[in-house]
Amino acid sequence: GQQVMQIPQYQHVQEGEDFTTYCNSSTTLSNIQWYKQRPGGHPVFLIQLVKSGEVKKQKRLTFQFGEAKKNSSLHITATQTTDVGTYFCAGTGTASKLTFGTGTRLQVTL
Amino acid sequence: NAGVTQTPKFRILKIGQSMTLQCAQDMNHNYMYWYRQDPGMGLKLIYYSVGAGITDKGEVPNGYNVSRSTTEDFPLRLELAAPSQTSVYFCASRGQGAGEPQHFGDGTRLSIL
Repeated sequence: GQQVMQIPQYQHVQEGEDFTTYCNSSTTLSNIQWYKQRPGGHPVFLIQLVKSGEVKKQKRLTFQFGEAKKNSSLHITATQTTDVGTYFCAGTGTASKLTFGTGTRLQVTL
Repeated sequence: NAGVTQTPKFRILKIGQSMTLQCAQDMNHNYMYWYRQDPGMGLKLIYYSVGAGITDKGEVPNGYNVSRSTTEDFPLRLELAAPSQTSVYFCASRGQGAGEPQHFGDGTRLSIL
């Protein structure tokens, strides 16, 4: 079945440093979504990418969808303590099923 | 709008007991999902439904049952609770299009002792 892996599993940065998480699918995706889960909270939808090579920005967050539509990345510029949480990618593959990635937990300290 | 509402928020069960986790959404979404999330881990799909009267197994359905008699409600039943079912359970719903985002409830934190 479809598998979606994310690296790294965990990253600890100091406030102001940049952060990137990578998402890789075993199959070609029709779209990819990104979610953020704060500690103790539930996943919250951030954005969706559909086109090959697509790049979208939300303030300090930059999302990319690979040319082959099998990978994606989320880059945060100048992290803040409010960025703490786990970031999940989720890809729609065959049979229109959404598969969540394994997640990257981000810790930010002052 | 309340969105996706899950009850209860917390529950402790003894081994072998049964219970139903409730999930209701007021967005008229056809698609609904149940996930479990073990500590520090990702989301595993238990069951999903594409509309009233239609349910299907996800990745980890053993030990659980669901029903979908209305568009709004999608309860998850645990029969003969086991310690391995200790987890946080999230219900989610989404609209009709394949790319529609999933909206999650606040979760039910379940401990089996």
